[in-house]
Amino acid sequence: QKEVEQDPGPLSVPEGAIVSLNCTYSNSAFQYFMWYRQYSRKGPELLMYTYSSGNKEDGRFTAQVDKSSKYISLFIRDSQPSDSATYLCAALSGGYQKVTFGTGTKLQVIP
Amino acid sequence: KAGVTQTPRYLIKTRGQQVTLSCSPISGHRSVSWYQQTPGQGLQFLFEYFSETQRNKGNFPGRFSGRQFSNSRSEMNVSTLELGDSALYLCASSFRTNNNEQFFGPGTRLTVL
Repeated sequence: QKEVEQDPGPLSVPEGAIVSLNCTYSNSAFQYFMWYRQYSRKGPELLMYTYSSGNKEDGRFTAQVDKSSKYISLFIRDSQPSDSATYLCAALSGGYQKVTFGTGTKLQVIP
Repeated sequence: KAGVTQTPRYLIKTRGQQVTLSCSPISGHRSVSWYQQTPGQGLQFLFEYFSETQRNKGNFPGRFSGRQFSNSRSEMNVSTLELGDSALYLCASSFRTNNNEQFFGPGTRLTVL
């Protein structure tokens, strides 16, 4: 079993929809949770990270962590075609520890 | 500030050969991590170097090795290439202990024939 599980999709939504991307994890020691966006033929780009449980908002993006259920979510409001990419969740137990990634969910936002 | 750079961007090798990939981190970043990305396995951690010392290591065979120089630039080497080594190799840099804020390069696409 992978430490971080993510539905690979693909997920297709119409422009303007609210997108929900989710991951589960098994390692109780994870404290930092990150979301990366990766466009085709590019390296991943950090969107945001959260520490421990709770919500964090940045523009149209909201990250949510529920440590009790070991569930990580990313919500995208008013989705745009430019949001079409693969979204990777990731986690680590301490700032200097290795990062464990999910396999990524491919999102397509249709105009 | 310039981002993470990786060279070469594309590489074609044959089985049994060896390859060296290079990564220059963001100025001021002292940690460099290497990842292998494949469609089936996703992003898998290879190793991390901090101040020229290997700080973390993933579950890859000894054919995969790396090093970091005093200017924080890093190289990874794969010896005796196998077909299954075909992948996108990504390096990421971070500032000291902030692996929760890693910045990735564009990757090197390695094809083994």
